[in-house]
Parts: sequence; C-alpha cells; structure tokens
Amino acid sequence: DTEVTQTPKHLVMGMTNKKSLKCEQHMGHRAMYWYKQKAKKPPELMFVYSYEKLSINESVPSRFSPECPNSSLLNLHLHALQPEDSALYLCASSQEGNSNQPQHFGDGTRLSIL
Amino acid sequence: GDSVTQMEGPVTLSEEAFLTINCTYTATGYPSLFWYVQYPGEGLQLLLKATKADDKGSNKGFEATYRKETTSFHLEKGSVQVSDSAVYFCALSDAYSSNTGKLIFGQGTTLQVKP
Repeated sequence: DTEVTQTPKHLVMGMTNKKSLKCEQHMGHRAMYWYKQKAKKPPELMFVYSYEKLSINESVPSRFSPECPNSSLLNLHLHALQPEDSALYLCASSQEGNSNQPQHFGDGTRLSIL
Repeated sequence: GDSVTQMEGPVTLSEEAFLTINCTYTATGYPSLFWYVQYPGEGLQLLLKATKADDKGSNKGFEATYRKETTSFHLEKGSVQVSDSAVYFCALSDAYSSNTGKLIFGQGTTLQVKP
C-alpha cells in the first residue's frame, strides 16, 4: 500500500479537453513532486513544490499547470495536451525539498491523449 | 553534472539464483544513494538507501553497499523469487551540491525471474 494517493488511476482525454490530476499525502512531508514516465524509461522531473511554493520547473510546457493548495495536496491541471504527452504521471513526496531524504511515490495516473 | 549508470537489461534468472545489478555514479558532492523498484502497473517503491560511504542498505533480502572508492552501489540478492520480477532503478540525490534534492535516475534494469 502506497502512502501517496493519486487519482484518477487512468485518464483518457482529447486534445481540447481540460482535466486535472490529483495527489495527496498524509506523511507530513513538506516537498511534493510531479514526474512524467514514458514506457521503459526512468521518471523525468517536471515540478517541485517545497513548503507549498514552486521551487523547480523543469521547462515544462505551459499546457501543464501545477497547483499546491496545501501541504498535503498537489494538483496538475492539463489543457490542450498533445499525443506525445501520453505517459504515466507520478507524484512523490519527501520530508524536505533540498535534502537527501528519499522520495515516496504514488502509483501514478496513466494518461492517454487521443 | 551528476549521473547514474546501470547495467543494461533485461536480466533473466531462474528462481533461487543469485542476483547482481551493477550501478555506478558520478557526483560532485556527498550524495545519498537509492534503489527503487517498479512492479508492472505500479509506481516506484523505495527498496533501500545509503547516505554515506560504507553504509549498507538492506530490505526484503536485497542489499547494496555505498562504495565511494569505486563510486558504486550494486544491488544484490542471494536467492531471487518470481515475485521479484520488476524494473529496478538506481538513483542519487546530491542536495548539498545542487541544493535541490533532485533525484538522478539510472536507465533502469528489467529483471525477469522464471520458475
């Protein structure tokens, strides 16, 4: 059982749709992350929030918009995605953002863009 | 910059065989090292970690020792089971040089264990 919960588990959307991915953790962690993972590849970092403030944006296209409403929740808003955005989107959390503490991952949302 | 190199897979073993997955790293500071495992259809699970030279991480029969002299963190298990079939990622975090705690992953090694 994972302590980082992601919803939905699967999402199919058209290129003109707007949808959101949600992530929740109750471990008291102060850093949360979004990753994108393509098949048979390691995860690629997209965004890092530390103490509810965006601290890293890895030059992600603006059609991906992160939001951190509070220290337990992390959203990723999607709009006008492209077929190449189809991937597994993973959320993770850690005690601190700028430390060597391990990150704990959710099971991901598998996104398919039609 | 920092990097992690893993042995290429897939690795195919029979049940009860000995497992080694090689991992070497390059880092400018004092990284922590991790092994993550990803089972089919799931996210990444932290398997074990080591935070300084000569530390040995262990969990579920898996072990890895942080070797600074050879910049390595090889994963070993004495007797694998079919349920160990998964993708294994070696990773480092070098917050003290990068000030981000960003995880640097290796390319992943697929392990298939046959009965």
